[in-house]
Amino acid sequence: QITLKESGPTLVKPTQTLTLTCTFSGFSLSTSGLGVGWIRQPPGKALEWLALIYWDDDKRYSPSLKNRLSITKDTSRNQVVLTMTNMDPVDTATYYCAHWGESRGAFAIWGQGTLVTVSS
Amino acid sequence: QSALTQPASVSGSPGQSITISCTGTSSDIGGYNYVSWYQQHPGKAPKLIICEVSNRPSGVSKRFSGSKAGNTASLTISGLQAEDEAEYYCSSYIATSTLFGTGTKVTVL
Repeated sequence: QITLKESGPTLVKPTQTLTLTCTFSGFSLSTSGLGVGWIRQPPGKALEWLALIYWDDDKRYSPSLKNRLSITKDTSRNQVVLTMTNMDPVDTATYYCAHWGESRGAFAIWGQGTLVTVSS
Repeated sequence: QSALTQPASVSGSPGQSITISCTGTSSDIGGYNYVSWYQQHPGKAPKLIICEVSNRPSGVSKRFSGSKAGNTASLTISGLQAEDEAEYYCSSYIATSTLFGTGTKVTVL
């Protein structure tokens, strides 16, 4: 059974850097064809894809946020970390991590999400 | 790259069929077959219901079906049930990026 869970601060101040950790089980990110992605959703708004890291450590970022994002993986600890710099109140959102499979090209399993509020 | 365009809302009576459209471009939906659909109930994480345009993951009701024509993908829900009332999002994976749709609120009358 595949599960993912996001963890990190619930409140950050403007200009600070956000660090979120996705801890997963039920699969290994060293397995060919797999990946873990991050998606966020501001309150009452649509989903927005942020980043995706593949089994081979290849990385993809949202073009609009590319300069602020960094995604890394620790295969031995089954964790993926997302950092976002220069946080702004408009970045207030629920942040999800999700299991991605090459065979489907989709996020098949999602974490429960974590709400991050940006406020001074 | 802009978000994929979906109607803001679609409604139907129990038992009816409804279709949600998702419009992109030849650079995303029109150029790749990695179109997926997600269902999201209030306060819950999204759930994958369609992948690769028309494939249903294991456990997803056969009442959900997907298709694509040109730059537009569609999700059809047949035999509409109360539990189908939710937000639906399309998505297109294009190797260098992933796009989500603007979302469609489905209301069961």
